[in-house]
Amino acid sequence: SAVISQKPSRDICQRGTSLTIQCQVDSQVTMMFWYRQQPGQSLTLIATANQGSEATYESGFVIDKFPISRPNLTFSTLTVSNMSPEDSSIYLCSIRGKVMDTEAFFGQGTRLTVV
Amino acid sequence: QKEVEQNSGPLSVPEGAIASLNCTYSDRVSQSFFWYRQYSGKSPELIMSIYSNGDKEDGRFTAQLNKASQYVSLLIRDSQPSDSATYLCAVNIQGAQKLVFGQGTRLTINP
Repeated sequence: SAVISQKPSRDICQRGTSLTIQCQVDSQVTMMFWYRQQPGQSLTLIATANQGSEATYESGFVIDKFPISRPNLTFSTLTVSNMSPEDSSIYLCSIRGKVMDTEAFFGQGTRLTVV
Repeated sequence: QKEVEQNSGPLSVPEGAIASLNCTYSDRVSQSFFWYRQYSGKSPELIMSIYSNGDKEDGRFTAQLNKASQYVSLLIRDSQPSDSATYLCAVNIQGAQKLVFGQGTRLTINP
């Protein structure tokens, strides 16, 4: 399976600031996915990032709050904007297997604490 | 109704016993189902994938799928303390290329 590198691994940020999380994959992938995992909760999909087009956001997530870039087939960023303590979560980058509808693989996650 | 539902637990099982984890889903046309294990502070790791009705075995793990009942389960035989983790059921939403996760079941294996 591909190697997915995410950084930073953790950060503590002041409310009102923004944090950009980077995700690098060691092979080209069509789609990259960003998930949020709030404390004690399961994974919720934020958006799907395709290279060359705007990201597709899930219900409850908006581009102004979570802008995403996908400049090429191996890299994506997620920005958490104007942060509040409610944004404290783990953010995970994910890719799918090479065959459609197969398993997902995850980066190591970014643990964000907003104070 | 949630798209994917699991009992959140905690589920406590003695070492050496069989742990049984259950999951139901609402999308009748889903064809791909996955079980992930997540240790505290770590990202999810894939344990099993299952695409056809019936059982699929891999070592101590058996996944069971019943599409008619919209039910997926995971059995862990000879449970070990190292199996203590949260187990996440995930269902692929057909045509959308996205996975929806259940809320996870926290499993504790007692020595």
